[in-house]
Amino acid sequence: ETGVTQTPRHLVMGMTNKKSLKCEQHLGHNAMYWYKQSAKKPLELMFVYNFKEQTENNSVPSRFSPECPNSSHLFLHLHTLQPEDSALYLCASSQEEEGSSGANVLTFGAGSRLTVL
Amino acid sequence: RKEVEQDPGPFNVPEGATVAFNCTYSNSASQSFFWYRQDCRKEPKLLMSVYSSGNEDGRFTAQLNRASQYISLLIRDSKLSDSATYLCVVNGRSSYKLIFGSGTRLLVRP
Repeated sequence: ETGVTQTPRHLVMGMTNKKSLKCEQHLGHNAMYWYKQSAKKPLELMFVYNFKEQTENNSVPSRFSPECPNSSHLFLHLHTLQPEDSALYLCASSQEEEGSSGANVLTFGAGSRLTVL
Repeated sequence: RKEVEQDPGPFNVPEGATVAFNCTYSNSASQSFFWYRQDCRKEPKLLMSVYSSGNEDGRFTAQLNRASQYISLLIRDSKLSDSATYLCVVNGRSSYKLIFGSGTRLLVRP
C-alpha cells in the first residue's frame, strides 16, 4: 500500500460505545496529525505527533484519545462521544525538519466518516 | 479575526473562463503557504505551494503578498474538472501547525 490509509472509512456508533480509528502512513514521514472536518467548517487540527511525541493538543475533549505507537501508525480512540462529534476525521502525515520555521506539505488519508447516534 | 479567511463562493464560471481567489491570513510570521483542492466527500490534496516570488503550474498561478498578508490563486482556461473547493492553508504560531481556511467553492459549467 502507498500513501496514507485510514480505517474504517465509515463508522456509526452509539454514545456509549468505544471505538478506534486507525491511520497508517507508508511515506516514511515523521509527523502525523488528526484533523476534524465538520460540515461547512474549516479543518480543525486536533492532535500532532512530531517525531513520535505529541506536540499539540488543540483543547480536544478527553473523549478523544490519540495514540502513536510508532512513526507509521496513529490511532484515535473514541469513548462516550456526542452527536456533535459526527464529522469526517482526517489523518495526515508530513516530513518535518527539526528547527525548521516553516511547515511542509501534508498528505491526507481518505478519512473516516463518523456518525454518532 | 479568523486566522485564515476565504470567500466561500460559490464562484460559478463557464468553461474557459479565468477565475481568481484571494485569501487573507492574520499571522505576519507565517512562512509556509499552500493551496489545497478538495473534491466533494474526498480528502484535501495539495494543489501547489506558494512561494514569495509567485509561482505557476500550468493553468494555475499563485501569488503571495506579505505586506498585505494575502495569497491568491488564478486559474486560467477553466475546465469542468476544476470544479472543487479550494483551501487556503497557512502555517500558524507553531511552525508545523497548518491552519486551513473554510475554502472557496468553484463550479465550472459547460
